[in-house]
Amino acid sequence: RKEVEQDPGPFNVPEGATVAFNCTYSNSASQSFFWYRQDCRKEPKLLMSVYSSGNEDGRFTAQLNRASQYISLLIRDSKLSDSATYLCVVSRSASKIIFGSGTRLSIRP
Amino acid sequence: NAGVTQTPKFQVLKTGQSMTLQCAQDMNHEYMSWYRQDPGMGLRLIHYSVGAGITDQGEVPNGYNVSRSTTEDFPLRLLSAAPSQTSVYFCASSSGLPSSYEQYFGPGTRLTVT
Repeated sequence: RKEVEQDPGPFNVPEGATVAFNCTYSNSASQSFFWYRQDCRKEPKLLMSVYSSGNEDGRFTAQLNRASQYISLLIRDSKLSDSATYLCVVSRSASKIIFGSGTRLSIRP
Repeated sequence: NAGVTQTPKFQVLKTGQSMTLQCAQDMNHEYMSWYRQDPGMGLRLIHYSVGAGITDQGEVPNGYNVSRSTTEDFPLRLLSAAPSQTSVYFCASSSGLPSSYEQYFGPGTRLTVT
């Protein structure tokens, strides 16, 4: 079983829709959590960190559930430019930074 | 600022050849890392460095060497290339421990080993 699991998708949703992804992790010692975005054939870029209390950045909301060991990403009012692969990242030390394999999102007009 | 730069962008090697992937950053970051990305798998940490002269192994270090003689540069050496090392390689830097801070990635090197 992978230490960090994501639904690979693809999620294909219309512009303006709300879409949510989950990411589960297996090691309860995990301490830091992030969502990165990766466009096709490009490098990953930080979308947002995930805090225990949950956090919001514009149309994006991230939540952490330590008891059930998952993090989530909610995108409201989706735009065509949101089409990308979203990578969940879970870490517990400098040598244990685990990337999920990503969830592909495609927004259609 | 150029951020994190990597060269070459593409490379084809024959089995057994050696080569060095170059990585440089101009953000004065102490922390630098090398990852590989394979289809259907997340990025996997190869080696990382917490400062000039200090390196350590990540999850998949076998077949790779690194050194960090300056803050700016963090080259990755493939000692004897194998087809299993066909992958996309990303270098990253961060201002703090990469487990806790945003990582800035270079554009990647696409390596094929035949």
